[in-house]
Amino acid sequence: AQSVTQLGSHVSVSEGALVLLRCNYSSSVPPYLFWYVQYPNQGLQLLLKYTSAATLVKGINGFEAEFKKSETSFHLTKPSAHMRDAAEYFCAVTPGDTGRRALTFGSGTRLQVQP
Amino acid sequence: SQTIHQWPATLVQPVGSPLSLECTVEGTSNPNLYWYRQAAGRGLQLLFYSVGIGQISSEVPQNLSASRPQDRQFILSSKKLLLSDSGFYLCAWSVLGGVNYGYTFGSGTRLTVV
Repeated sequence: AQSVTQLGSHVSVSEGALVLLRCNYSSSVPPYLFWYVQYPNQGLQLLLKYTSAATLVKGINGFEAEFKKSETSFHLTKPSAHMRDAAEYFCAVTPGDTGRRALTFGSGTRLQVQP
Repeated sequence: SQTIHQWPATLVQPVGSPLSLECTVEGTSNPNLYWYRQAAGRGLQLLFYSVGIGQISSEVPQNLSASRPQDRQFILSSKKLLLSDSGFYLCAWSVLGGVNYGYTFGSGTRLTVV
């Protein structure tokens, strides 16, 4: 079974500051991990994914995440926040090599960017 | 290119009325298809997934059902809606394997049961 914990339902940063959104996972098999962003009343847009290649993954809009197996973490970072980054962010996990293959999501983190 | 269509975008339905939400995928064959629900202020809950025509797996016992009458069509239904069925419903499809491994989501349907 898989699960995802996102620490902090709300995170507020100043424009230009570092963004750090935390994600810890639990998986009985080697996981694949994803970060999605959701703007109000819209679907989910993929930011980046880890599928057992490089542990440091670069995504769109300047975001990146590092897979740390020893810490069971996949935290999302961005060096400098922009106002347009204000949205809700979801971390998700799926077993990389088994049949079920549906995504299990965390509860989400709402990012606010202050001017 | 692959696209996913989901409709309607918004829906207001009275309690006890039926429901039908449709999702179609273009540009791929034999996709895995999923229905998720997002309740207000909460994460995404997997409702159903399908690996082929007529093959539906239910994740959560509930008032809803799903059907896949064609390879690229996935329908979410209810015979009688409850207030608790309100939420944001998202359809998704997946490519499993290769460099394009991933899941693509539709734009969602906001359902309000009154």
